[in-house]
Amino acid sequence: SQKIEQNSEALNIQEGKTATLTCNYTNYSPAYLQWYRQDPGRGPVFLLLIRENEKEKRKERLKVTFDTTLKQSLFHITASQPADSATYLCAPGRGYGGSQGNLIFGKGTKLSVKP
Amino acid sequence: DADVTQTPRNRITKTGKRIMLECSQTKGHDRMYWYRQDPGLGLRLIYYSFDVKDINKGEISDGYSVSRQAQAKFSLSLESAIPNQTALYFCATSVAGATDTQYFGPGTRLTVL
Repeated sequence: SQKIEQNSEALNIQEGKTATLTCNYTNYSPAYLQWYRQDPGRGPVFLLLIRENEKEKRKERLKVTFDTTLKQSLFHITASQPADSATYLCAPGRGYGGSQGNLIFGKGTKLSVKP
Repeated sequence: DADVTQTPRNRITKTGKRIMLECSQTKGHDRMYWYRQDPGLGLRLIYYSFDVKDINKGEISDGYSVSRQAQAKFSLSLESAIPNQTALYFCATSVAGATDTQYFGPGTRLTVL
Protein backbone atom coordinates (compact mmCIF):
# COMPACT_ATOMS: atom_id res chain seq x y z
CA SER A 1 0.00 0.00 0.00
CA GLN A 2 1.03 3.62 -0.46
CA LYS A 3 3.15 4.86 2.41
CA ILE A 4 4.47 8.26 3.46
CA GLU A 5 7.29 8.75 5.94
CA GLN A 6 8.48 12.02 7.38
CA ASN A 7 11.71 10.92 8.93
CA SER A 8 11.78 13.13 11.98
CA GLU A 9 8.92 13.64 14.38
CA ALA A 10 10.72 16.69 15.73
CA LEU A 11 13.55 18.93 14.61
CA ASN A 12 15.20 21.57 16.79
CA ILE A 13 17.43 24.21 15.22
CA GLN A 14 18.95 27.57 16.08
CA GLU A 15 17.57 30.79 14.63
CA GLY A 16 19.28 31.76 11.41
CA LYS A 17 20.14 28.20 10.40
CA THR A 18 18.59 26.25 7.54
CA ALA A 19 15.96 23.68 8.49
CA THR A 20 15.73 20.62 6.25
CA LEU A 21 12.74 18.28 6.50
CA THR A 22 12.51 14.97 4.67
CA CYS A 23 9.53 13.17 3.12
CA ASN A 24 9.83 9.69 1.63
CA TYR A 25 7.12 7.76 -0.14
CA THR A 26 6.89 4.13 -1.22
CA ASN A 27 4.82 1.87 -3.45
CA TYR A 28 3.62 4.51 -5.88
CA SER A 29 4.65 7.41 -8.06
CA PRO A 30 2.82 10.66 -7.30
CA ALA A 31 2.52 13.21 -10.07
CA TYR A 32 2.98 16.04 -7.54
CA LEU A 33 3.73 16.66 -3.91
CA GLN A 34 2.51 19.40 -1.57
CA TRP A 35 3.79 20.81 1.70
CA TYR A 36 1.56 22.28 4.42
CA ARG A 37 2.19 24.12 7.65
CA GLN A 38 0.10 23.43 10.75
CA ASP A 39 0.12 25.49 13.95
CA PRO A 40 -1.15 23.92 17.20
CA GLY A 41 -4.93 23.52 17.25
CA ARG A 42 -5.35 24.96 13.75
CA GLY A 43 -5.94 23.59 10.29
CA PRO A 44 -3.07 22.93 7.89
CA VAL A 45 -2.19 25.73 5.47
CA PHE A 46 -0.87 25.06 1.97
CA LEU A 47 2.68 26.27 1.32
CA LEU A 48 4.11 24.84 -1.89
CA LEU A 49 3.42 22.34 -4.65
CA ILE A 50 6.03 20.66 -6.81
CA ARG A 51 5.30 18.50 -9.85
CA GLU A 52 7.15 15.37 -10.92
CA ASN A 53 8.84 17.17 -13.81
CA GLU A 54 10.19 19.92 -11.52
CA LYS A 55 13.40 19.35 -9.58
CA GLU A 56 13.10 22.38 -7.35
CA LYS A 57 10.58 25.06 -6.35
CA ARG A 58 11.18 28.21 -4.33
CA LYS A 59 8.98 30.67 -2.49
CA GLU A 60 10.70 33.36 -0.46
CA ARG A 61 12.75 31.49 2.19
CA LEU A 62 11.23 28.12 1.32
CA LYS A 63 12.66 25.60 -1.11
CA VAL A 64 11.29 22.20 -2.05
CA THR A 65 12.99 19.47 -4.07
CA PHE A 66 11.42 16.36 -5.60
CA ASP A 67 13.55 13.36 -6.50
CA THR A 68 11.38 10.77 -8.22
CA THR A 69 14.28 8.30 -8.38
CA LEU A 70 14.88 8.40 -4.64
CA LYS A 71 11.12 8.81 -4.01
CA GLN A 72 11.91 11.72 -1.75
CA SER A 73 11.12 15.38 -1.22
CA LEU A 74 13.20 17.78 0.84
CA PHE A 75 11.73 20.95 2.36
CA HIS A 76 14.16 23.70 3.32
CA ILE A 77 13.59 26.87 5.33
CA THR A 78 16.58 29.19 5.07
CA ALA A 79 17.43 31.85 7.67
CA SER A 80 14.92 30.24 10.02
CA GLN A 81 13.04 32.33 12.59
CA PRO A 82 11.16 31.41 15.77
CA ALA A 83 7.95 32.22 13.86
CA ASP A 84 8.71 29.27 11.58
CA SER A 85 8.12 26.93 14.52
CA ALA A 86 5.21 24.68 13.52
CA THR A 87 4.46 21.19 12.23
CA TYR A 88 5.10 20.67 8.53
CA LEU A 89 3.13 18.07 6.61
CA CYS A 90 4.13 16.40 3.39
CA ALA A 91 1.26 15.40 1.07
CA PRO A 92 2.03 13.54 -2.13
CA GLY A 93 -0.77 13.02 -4.61
CA ARG A 94 -2.07 9.47 -4.80
CA GLY A 95 -0.73 8.91 -8.25
CA TYR A 96 -2.26 8.52 -11.68
CA GLY A 97 -5.81 7.28 -11.53
CA GLY A 98 -5.84 7.56 -7.76
CA SER A 99 -9.01 8.26 -5.86
CA GLN A 100 -9.66 8.52 -2.13
CA GLY A 101 -9.34 12.27 -2.04
CA ASN A 102 -6.13 12.41 -4.05
CA LEU A 103 -3.77 13.44 -1.23
CA ILE A 104 -2.09 11.31 1.42
CA PHE A 105 -0.75 13.28 4.37
CA GLY A 106 2.40 12.36 6.26
CA LYS A 107 2.36 12.51 10.05
CA GLY A 108 4.39 15.69 10.04
CA THR A 109 7.63 17.00 11.46
CA LYS A 110 7.45 19.44 14.36
CA LEU A 111 10.02 22.17 13.84
CA SER A 112 11.21 24.28 16.76
CA VAL A 113 13.43 27.27 16.04
CA LYS A 114 15.23 28.59 19.12
CA PRO A 115 16.30 32.24 19.41
CA ASP B 1 -14.45 36.27 7.03
CA ALA B 2 -13.05 32.74 7.01
CA ASP B 3 -13.48 30.84 3.75
CA VAL B 4 -14.05 27.48 5.48
CA THR B 5 -15.95 27.46 8.75
CA GLN B 6 -16.70 24.64 11.13
CA THR B 7 -19.27 24.46 13.91
CA PRO B 8 -19.03 23.79 16.74
CA ARG B 9 -15.37 24.53 17.48
CA ASN B 10 -15.42 22.46 20.66
CA ARG B 11 -17.81 19.79 21.80
CA ILE B 12 -17.94 17.48 24.79
CA THR B 13 -20.45 14.68 24.64
CA LYS B 14 -21.21 11.32 26.20
CA THR B 15 -20.90 7.83 24.84
CA GLY B 16 -23.90 6.83 22.74
CA LYS B 17 -24.99 10.35 21.81
CA ARG B 18 -25.54 11.41 18.20
CA ILE B 19 -23.33 14.28 17.13
CA MET B 20 -23.26 16.41 13.99
CA LEU B 21 -20.31 18.52 12.91
CA GLU B 22 -20.96 21.09 10.23
CA CYS B 23 -18.76 22.64 7.58
CA SER B 24 -19.53 25.58 5.32
CA GLN B 25 -17.39 27.18 2.64
CA THR B 26 -17.54 30.36 0.61
CA LYS B 27 -14.70 29.42 -1.75
CA GLY B 28 -17.01 27.99 -4.40
CA HIS B 29 -15.08 24.71 -4.43
CA ASP B 30 -16.74 21.52 -5.61
CA ARG B 31 -14.73 19.11 -3.48
CA MET B 32 -15.07 18.75 0.27
CA TYR B 33 -13.41 16.43 2.78
CA TRP B 34 -13.60 15.36 6.41
CA TYR B 35 -10.44 14.32 8.27
CA ARG B 36 -9.66 13.42 11.83
CA GLN B 37 -6.31 14.06 13.47
CA ASP B 38 -4.94 12.14 16.42
CA PRO B 39 -1.55 12.60 18.07
CA GLY B 40 0.99 10.32 16.41
CA LEU B 41 -1.43 9.23 13.67
CA GLY B 42 -1.59 12.32 11.51
CA LEU B 43 -4.51 13.30 9.31
CA ARG B 44 -6.78 10.48 8.24
CA LEU B 45 -9.52 10.78 5.64
CA ILE B 46 -13.03 9.90 6.82
CA TYR B 47 -15.24 10.85 3.85
CA TYR B 48 -14.97 13.01 0.77
CA SER B 49 -17.35 14.45 -1.80
CA PHE B 50 -16.40 15.60 -5.28
CA ASP B 51 -19.77 17.23 -5.93
CA VAL B 52 -23.23 17.45 -4.39
CA LYS B 53 -24.30 14.02 -5.66
CA ASP B 54 -21.02 12.28 -4.90
CA ILE B 55 -20.11 10.75 -1.52
CA ASN B 56 -17.13 8.46 -0.98
CA LYS B 57 -15.72 6.62 1.99
CA GLY B 58 -12.21 7.36 3.11
CA GLU B 59 -9.84 5.12 5.01
CA ILE B 60 -11.67 5.31 8.36
CA SER B 61 -15.39 5.75 7.64
CA ASP B 62 -16.76 3.17 10.11
CA GLY B 63 -18.90 4.85 12.76
CA TYR B 64 -19.36 8.01 10.69
CA SER B 65 -21.81 9.25 8.06
CA VAL B 66 -21.95 12.41 5.98
CA SER B 67 -24.42 14.58 4.14
CA ARG B 68 -23.67 17.04 1.33
CA GLN B 69 -26.63 19.37 1.56
CA ALA B 70 -25.35 21.87 -1.00
CA GLN B 71 -22.14 22.74 -2.78
CA ALA B 72 -21.17 24.86 0.22
CA LYS B 73 -22.17 22.52 3.05
CA PHE B 74 -20.84 19.15 4.18
CA SER B 75 -21.85 17.63 7.52
CA LEU B 76 -20.27 14.78 9.45
CA SER B 77 -22.36 12.70 11.86
CA LEU B 78 -21.39 10.30 14.58
CA GLU B 79 -24.51 8.18 15.03
CA SER B 80 -23.48 6.79 18.41
CA ALA B 81 -20.33 8.42 19.71
CA ILE B 82 -17.67 6.33 21.43
CA PRO B 83 -14.58 7.49 23.38
CA ASN B 84 -12.09 6.51 20.65
CA GLN B 85 -13.75 9.07 18.40
CA THR B 86 -12.26 11.77 20.59
CA ALA B 87 -10.09 13.72 18.16
CA LEU B 88 -9.59 16.95 16.25
CA TYR B 89 -11.81 17.00 13.16
CA PHE B 90 -11.05 19.07 10.07
CA CYS B 91 -13.10 19.93 7.04
CA ALA B 92 -11.27 20.85 3.84
CA THR B 93 -12.16 21.97 0.33
CA SER B 94 -10.45 21.91 -3.03
CA VAL B 95 -11.03 22.89 -6.62
CA ALA B 96 -11.53 20.02 -9.04
CA GLY B 97 -8.33 19.77 -11.01
CA ALA B 98 -4.97 18.17 -11.32
CA THR B 99 -3.51 18.88 -7.91
CA ASP B 100 -6.33 19.23 -5.37
CA THR B 101 -4.63 21.75 -3.13
CA GLN B 102 -6.72 21.67 0.01
CA TYR B 103 -8.00 24.52 2.17
CA PHE B 104 -8.78 23.58 5.74
CA GLY B 105 -11.23 24.87 8.29
CA PRO B 106 -10.21 25.76 11.84
CA GLY B 107 -11.14 22.36 13.24
CA THR B 108 -13.58 20.95 15.79
CA ARG B 109 -12.20 19.47 18.98
CA LEU B 110 -14.52 16.62 19.98
CA THR B 111 -14.34 14.84 23.33
CA VAL B 112 -16.46 11.76 23.95
CA LEU B 113 -16.70 10.79 27.62
